[in-house]
Amino acid sequence: GAVVSQHPSRVICKSGTSVKIECRSLDFQATTMFWYRQFPKKSLMLMATSNEGSKATYEQGVEKDKFLINHASLTLSTLTVTSAHPEDSSFYICSARDQWGDTMNEQFFGPGTRLTVL
Amino acid sequence: AQSVSQHNHHVILSEAASLELGCNYSYGGTVNLFWYVQYPGQHLQLLLKYFSGDPLVKGIKGFEAEFIKSKFSFNLRKPSVQWSDTAEYFCAVNTGGFKTIFGAGTRLFVKA
Repeated sequence: GAVVSQHPSRVICKSGTSVKIECRSLDFQATTMFWYRQFPKKSLMLMATSNEGSKATYEQGVEKDKFLINHASLTLSTLTVTSAHPEDSSFYICSARDQWGDTMNEQFFGPGTRLTVL
Repeated sequence: AQSVSQHNHHVILSEAASLELGCNYSYGGTVNLFWYVQYPGQHLQLLLKYFSGDPLVKGIKGFEAEFIKSKFSFNLRKPSVQWSDTAEYFCAVNTGGFKTIFGAGTRLFVKA
C-alpha cells in the first residue's frame, strides 16, 4: 500500500511553454501533498505544501505564480510550471501523507519527474 | 528555524565494512525522525523511522539508527555493508507539523 505515482516521468519542453505534472496517491487519501525540487547532487528542496481544497503554502523564495499548484481531490495534486525556462530544468518529486494511516507523519514519495527545458 | 545536517556528503567503503552516517537536527521539542534511501535511478524509500519508544530503531536491509535526544542526533548504522547499499541516504525530521525537513544527503559508494 501507500503508493504515489507521478506523471509524466520525463518531459522535454521549449522555453516559454507550460508543463503540468500530476501526483496521485493510488491507495490512500492525502489531504496534504508536498512538492520538492531536487538539484543534482543536492537534497530535496521543499517548494510548497499542497492542501486539498485550499491554496498551497509556498516556501520562501518559491514563486507561486510560476509554480501553480492545484489539489482538487484527495488523491490528486498538480504542479504546473508556467513559462518554463532552462533554469527550471530539474527533478520534481511529490510526496503525500496518509491522512488516516498509522504513519501520519510518514511521507510516501512519487518516482519523480525529470523536466528539461530547452 | 529547524534544520538537519548530515556530516558526510560522500562516503566510500569496501564491502563488509561498517557504516555510520551522522545526522543532527536543531529543534528543542518532540520530533519524528526518518532515514530515507534513494537507490540509483529509483525514488526515495523509507529505511526506518522513529516516533517514540525504544531509541534504537531497526529498519529494513539490516540498517538501524539510534536517537540520542541529548545530542539531537539520529545516526544511521549498518555493521556490514554490501555493494547493493550504494545509494544516497537522507535524514529527515518532522516536528509534528506538516513539514518534514531533509538533510543534504550522503552518497554512499560501496566497492565490491
